[in-house]
Amino acid sequence: DIQMTQSPSSLSASVGDRVTITCRASQGINNYLAWFQQKPGKAPKSLIYAASSLQSGVPSKFSGSGSGTDFTLTISSLQPEDFATYYCQQYNSFPLTFGGGTKVEIK
Amino acid sequence: EVQLVESGGDLVQPGGSLRLSCAASGFTFSSYAMSWVRQAPGKGLEWVSIIGTGGGSTYYADSVKGRFTISRDDSQNALYLQLNSLRAEDTAVYYCAKRASHGQFDYWGQGTLVTVSS
Repeated sequence: DIQMTQSPSSLSASVGDRVTITCRASQGINNYLAWFQQKPGKAPKSLIYAASSLQSGVPSKFSGSGSGTDFTLTISSLQPEDFATYYCQQYNSFPLTFGGGTKVEIK
Repeated sequence: EVQLVESGGDLVQPGGSLRLSCAASGFTFSSYAMSWVRQAPGKGLEWVSIIGTGGGSTYYADSVKGRFTISRDDSQNALYLQLNSLRAEDTAVYYCAKRASHGQFDYWGQGTLVTVSS
C-alpha cells in the first residue's frame, strides 16, 4: 500500500498569509495526486487533481505542485473561508489512500 | 448540477448489517465509477470501496474486504454499500463520491452516519 504523509498536521496562520502544505508518497504515484478541503461537519471538496490541475470552480489562490513522491498545496493569500482541514490523496493504485490531514487554524 | 444523496445510516449492534444507498443526479451515472469513503468521528478520511462502470470491477480496502459489498443500479442512478458483520471500528460517516475521468473524486455527497454499538 502507498502511504501518504502530510506535514504539518496543523498550522496557525493569519488572514493574508501564504500557506504551504506538503504531502509525501511512500513511492512514485505518477502525479495521480488530489487535494481536498473539508470544513467541520461538511463533505470534502475537491480542489486540485493531477497534482497541479485546478478543479472547476475552485479559485486560483489554490495551487498544487510537485512530482514523483513530493507534492505541495499552496494557498496564496489565506482568507477566513479557507480555515479548514486539507487532505491529499493518491489515486495511482488501489487501495486509494489519503494523507492524515492538515488543520489550518486562525492565528 | 451534480447531486449525491446518501441514506441508510443508523445505529446497529456489533455483528449486525446495514445497507447504505446513494442517489445520484445531474450527470450520466452509468458513465462513471463510484466510490465510498468513510470518516470515523474526529478522524481522517479512509477509502472503503469502488465500483467501475457497469459494475464489472470492484475493489475494497482490506479493513472491509469480505464484509462489505458495493453495487450499483444504473437504471435507478443508485449506488449501494451492503455492510455485514459490523464492528465498533466501522462507526463513521460514510460518503459516496463520483470518480472523474482522470480518476480523482470530483463530487461528494453529504454523508450518512453509521454507529455500531450495543
